[in-house]
Amino acid sequence: SQELEQSPQSLIVQEGKNLTINCTSSKTLYGLYWYKQKYGEGLIFLMMLQKGGEEKSHEKITAKLDEKKQQSSLHITASQPSHAGIYLCGADPSNYQLIWGAGTKLIIKP
Amino acid sequence: EPEVTQTPSHQVTQMGQEVILRCVPISNHLYFYWYRQILGQKVEFLVSFYNNEISEKSEIFDDQFSVERPDGSNFTLKIRSTKLEDSAMYFCASDEGAYGNDNEQFFGPGTRLTVL
Repeated sequence: SQELEQSPQSLIVQEGKNLTINCTSSKTLYGLYWYKQKYGEGLIFLMMLQKGGEEKSHEKITAKLDEKKQQSSLHITASQPSHAGIYLCGADPSNYQLIWGAGTKLIIKP
Repeated sequence: EPEVTQTPSHQVTQMGQEVILRCVPISNHLYFYWYRQILGQKVEFLVSFYNNEISEKSEIFDDQFSVERPDGSNFTLKIRSTKLEDSAMYFCASDEGAYGNDNEQFFGPGTRLTVL
């Protein structure tokens, strides 16, 4: 079965600094999702990557999928307090379900 | 903007009792899902539902669990006889089911289930 490993488990970053979160899969990824979780707000979709080498950006968040499609990184530029939360990567081994990494807890220090 | 809603936000129940968690998916969506997250652990897939039947289910989704779409809007998860280990946050999700598209799943805010 496919497994996703996220690193780091937690991250404390000074406001304004850049940061990167990684997601590594035990098998080739055919769809990699990044979600953000805040208590009481469910899981918020950030981006989905499908093609090797693909890169997508939304505001100050950029996600990349490597050429081999086994690793993805999420990069936040000039972090803000609103970026705080838990970032989850998910993959779909089938068309019906998602499997998840354990999450990276991001704390932004003012 | 359309969103998935879930009720209640928090449910406390006694072990052995039945609970029903309710979800209202986005109205034009065709696929519906339940996930759970035990405190401090990963989000886990429970079940997917399409065309009024279960598409896939995980090992967690045993005979104690059932799902239903009783009308055109609600999607429910029933746990027949709750156990302490059922305590978790339960997320409902839905998507358009358009194959080949981004297939973004939209998640509800979750229901925190506490079994005493």
